[in-house]
Amino acid sequence: TQLLEQSPQFLSIQEGENLTVYCNSSSVFSSLQWYRQEPGEGPVLLVTVVTGGEVKKLKRLTFQFGDARKDSSLHITAAQPGDTGLYLCAGGTRGGSNYKLTFGKGTLLTVNP
Amino acid sequence: NAGVTQTPKFQVLKTGQSMTLQCAQDMNHEYMSWYRQDPGMGLRLIHYSVGAGITDQGEVPNGYNVSRSTTEDFPLRLLSAAPSQTSVYFCASSYTGGSAETQYFGPGTRLLVL
Repeated sequence: TQLLEQSPQFLSIQEGENLTVYCNSSSVFSSLQWYRQEPGEGPVLLVTVVTGGEVKKLKRLTFQFGDARKDSSLHITAAQPGDTGLYLCAGGTRGGSNYKLTFGKGTLLTVNP
Repeated sequence: NAGVTQTPKFQVLKTGQSMTLQCAQDMNHEYMSWYRQDPGMGLRLIHYSVGAGITDQGEVPNGYNVSRSTTEDFPLRLLSAAPSQTSVYFCASSYTGGSAETQYFGPGTRLLVL
């Protein structure tokens, strides 16, 4: 069973602060995705990284895939109340015709005005 | 496009009752999947399908059945509901299920089993 450990589980910060969320595993993934989920809704994809060492930026969000493709991080600069939500990382693996997406338990972020 | 739709949004069942959670997508996606989300457990894969007529088990398949008779629909059946199946259920779809593809999630079905 492949596991993805996310940390921290909960994070409460003030508007304007920076933060980093981590996603770690002992397994290698072919891709790593980050989703954001708001209360009462399904997760929505933020980004997909597929190459070891890859860095992607989405406005104030910076995503990095570890060189060994076992870990990833999400960094938010100058957090805003609109960033509040549950952030989920998900590792993708494919073997033959089977494909599975393994999710971490999530980081619940609250940005206070 | 409506994307991925799920019905019902909420359901209360008694132990032993059966029901079907409906999931439909209008994006012509081949790959569809069902997850359950529990506090502190994240999203766990129940069953998935790589195309019409093809289904396979995920991480937590016990107590659930699925079928895929059309590309659009992927219902999840609970044959005899148990309190342990109280959860929020999400259906998702993608084009072919490739590991770098976007998974599109429905809004979820909140199920309470008494």
